[in-house]
Amino acid sequence: NAGVTQTPKFQVLKTGQSMTLQCAQDMNHNSMYWYRQDPGMGLRLIYYSASEGTTDKGEVPNGYNVSRLNKREFSLRLESAAPSQTSVYFCASRRTGTSADTQYFGPGTRLTVL
Amino acid sequence: GENVEQHPSTLSVQEGDSAVIKCTYSDSASNYFPWYKQELGKRPQLIIDIRSNVGEKKDQRIAVTLNKTAKHFSLHITETQPEDSAVYFCAAHSNTGKLIFGQGTTLQVKP
Repeated sequence: NAGVTQTPKFQVLKTGQSMTLQCAQDMNHNSMYWYRQDPGMGLRLIYYSASEGTTDKGEVPNGYNVSRLNKREFSLRLESAAPSQTSVYFCASRRTGTSADTQYFGPGTRLTVL
Repeated sequence: GENVEQHPSTLSVQEGDSAVIKCTYSDSASNYFPWYKQELGKRPQLIIDIRSNVGEKKDQRIAVTLNKTAKHFSLHITETQPEDSAVYFCAAHSNTGKLIFGQGTTLQVKP
């Protein structure tokens, strides 16, 4: 099992460019999450998908969109990147969001917007 | 709204000493409380968790205690070692299906 995988590992964008961060899990988990991590700010939830076919906003959704492509994949899109979106992005998954299941994180994508 | 407060933000201890990190949560319906360790440049990884029907749980040098009445839980690391140096995050599971994370504690263990 690869667990939770993310691509790319690193990315540099110019202001206004768009890109999609990819996330996949092979644990047959129902719930998937996107977080951003900035120094001193902890892990802030951007969007989540409690189950295939559903998505909901988290704490900081502005400037992002998501797609739950199927049960395995959950992508995060930046339509017009801004320097404030420079961060490390983590994808995570859990078997279900309604019980005490372990949440597993992907390795992260380090994004710099110039 | 849902909130988890974590203290202290930084903690420095001498090797062999104990370290304690404390968290409080706001959602009285929370029933699951994991702790994650994040080494520099790595992903957060689960080190221990506790469910609301248990008051204390131990795993070798680490332990977690939970006081549901006070909505407070703590991580205890005994006999600290330099490899314990990392950022530690507490979290609380909310009834909306999300984990709410604390701000993190940077633990430095000095040899």
